Amino acid sequence: GNSVTQMEGPVTLSEEAFLTINCTYTATGYPSLFWYVQYPGEGLQLLLKATKADDKGSNKGFEATYRKETTSFHLEKGSVQVSDSAVYFCALTEPGSNYKLTFGKGTLLTVNP
Amino acid sequence: DAGVIQSPRHEVTEMGQEVTLRCKPISGHDYLFWYRQTMMRGLELLIYFNNNVPIDDSGMPEDRFSAKMPNASFSTLKIQPSEPRDSAVYFCASGRDRVNTEAFFGQGTRLTVV
Repeated sequence: GNSVTQMEGPVTLSEEAFLTINCTYTATGYPSLFWYVQYPGEGLQLLLKATKADDKGSNKGFEATYRKETTSFHLEKGSVQVSDSAVYFCALTEPGSNYKLTFGKGTLLTVNP
Repeated sequence: DAGVIQSPRHEVTEMGQEVTLRCKPISGHDYLFWYRQTMMRGLELLIYFNNNVPIDDSGMPEDRFSAKMPNASFSTLKIQPSEPRDSAVYFCASGRDRVNTEAFFGQGTRLTVV
């Protein structure tokens, strides 16, 4: 079956530091890949997505590249802000799965001023 | 669009009571998902609907849980009787029936069973 593995948190950084959150996946076909963000007390929001190999998703300074050869979709940001403090989820859907999302366990990011 | 609307935002109930969680999906969306989030298990898909029809309820933990979608704009998740281990945040999400689409989440219902 499908699965998503994220780096364990929590991750604590200082403002303006570089962020990487690793994500790898297992799928039988060619999935679409997503990063969702959950701010405290809120639901999940789509941060970015990529739908085929070598696609780069980007939003709000965050980027992730769909790497089929390494089955990875690592999230990066060059300079984090305090407002980026949240839980980040990597997820996938696979064609034929009726758009059911498979999530990783989430990574808590705390950015200190 | 107001987004996915869930009610109530918080629910505290006593063990053994019936709990009903409500969800209004985004208009025009074909899929509706119910997820449960806990520290131990993360995000778990409980059940999802396509065009108001339940497609996969294999994630529903036991017979105490039931979900309905009587029309395209409303769904309920019911727990009867509730138990302390049901305490969690329950999310509803909806999405369109097209390739590479994403799901849109509500703000969740935080359920506490005491």
